[in-house]
Amino acid sequence: AQKVTQAQTEISVVEKEDVTLDCVYETRDTTYYLFWYKQPPSGELVFLIRRNSFDEQNEISGRYSWNFQKSTSSFNFTITASQVVDSAVYFCALSERAGNQFYFGTGTSLTVIP
Amino acid sequence: GAGVSQSPSNKVTEKGKDVELRCDPISGHTALYWYRQRLGQGLEFLIYFQGNSAPDKSGLPSDRFSAERTGESVSTLTIQRTQQEDSAVYLCASSPQGILYEQYFGPGTRLTVT
Repeated sequence: AQKVTQAQTEISVVEKEDVTLDCVYETRDTTYYLFWYKQPPSGELVFLIRRNSFDEQNEISGRYSWNFQKSTSSFNFTITASQVVDSAVYFCALSERAGNQFYFGTGTSLTVIP
Repeated sequence: GAGVSQSPSNKVTEKGKDVELRCDPISGHTALYWYRQRLGQGLEFLIYFQGNSAPDKSGLPSDRFSAERTGESVSTLTIQRTQQEDSAVYLCASSPQGILYEQYFGPGTRLTVT
């Protein structure tokens, strides 16, 4: 079973629209961390956010916001007023305190159309 | 400061040959990671070093793959008797602490096995 599921393979939006990227995770560990990374067309992954399992507060950073809900094992990412530069593949990831592996989802490819 | 560097950036090799990929992490980062990314796909976790030690090698795809890290610095990923299915981008990342922390990625080595 996938530890991290990103059901949306590809999303296209028109510039200035809001878009939400879904992430569902699976773990039995009580202490874990969730991450989002961006991989632009240039290829190099960029870290966006890290959130621990004890902090369910939503986070906002500029046009980006993250909604963490333990009840549904989800850690969704919203981009407000999307821009062409947001076009990239976005990966959600999980690490567990008791583990020695890092789990990436399969990614969501976002295209923002001008 | 300098980011994670990887060499070579591109490698073309014939099936059956051995290849060695190198990763230089960010100075002072104790943790180092190797991933494989096939074209258009997500990241496959291969191995993680905390210092010079790899707690779990089960992510390596086969016994043709091996990795080592010396001096809490440079790491090499070796693939012996390469096969066409080994063709992929091999990504290295480092983090200042362990697997629960954000990772900083290098540009990757694109390996093509002909």
